[in-house]
Amino acid sequence: DVKVTQSSRYLVKRTGEKVFLECVQDMDHENMFWYRQDPGLGLRLIYFSYDVKMKEKGDIPEGYSVSREKKERFSLILESASTNQTSMYLCASNHARGLVATGELFFGEGSRLTVL
Amino acid sequence: KQEVTQIPAALSVPEGENLVLNCSFTDSAIYNLQWFRQDPGKGLTSLLLIQSSQREQTSGRLNASLDKSSGRSTLYIAASQPGDSATYLCAVDNYGQNFVFGPGTRLSVLP
Repeated sequence: DVKVTQSSRYLVKRTGEKVFLECVQDMDHENMFWYRQDPGLGLRLIYFSYDVKMKEKGDIPEGYSVSREKKERFSLILESASTNQTSMYLCASNHARGLVATGELFFGEGSRLTVL
Repeated sequence: KQEVTQIPAALSVPEGENLVLNCSFTDSAIYNLQWFRQDPGKGLTSLLLIQSSQREQTSGRLNASLDKSSGRSTLYIAASQPGDSATYLCAVDNYGQNFVFGPGTRLSVLP
């Protein structure tokens, strides 16, 4: 079974702290994504990566950065956490589109971040 | 820009009923459409994926159909059970735009 693992299920941080959210997938997927999910706003794409060391901004990249040093790992970084970054963060991955790959998207369990 | 809507927003049914959840999208240039289930406080679990060249997919009591030309997909759940209670989201994989998610349908199946 495909597994996308997020390092922390629940985090509580203070305003101004640096926050690292880690995501690891075990299916050799080329693409990895970070979303945040808020009531009434749905899922919004923060950043995605289609290869090692490659990254692309999503719809709401402000206040976030990402790192992909290895194919299986995609980290989301909040350089200076703010209260409006309190949210559920979801990591996902899939194979690149192609003749064989269906592009099925797999999600991790989510990381609930509270910034005080 | 692709927009995805889901009707109804919430649904409550007695156990054993067959039900249909609807997903609509505005741009038919999609690579695939995927249905997910989300339990409270958890991530999304993939249920079914329909590629753009397919009309439907089935998994157990679930059947999803796709009509690309009209921009619609339906998720049919047969003989619903209380364990089916969750939020169901559809998402379209859009050429040039990545995945676009619908807002979800919150389903309650009453024992």
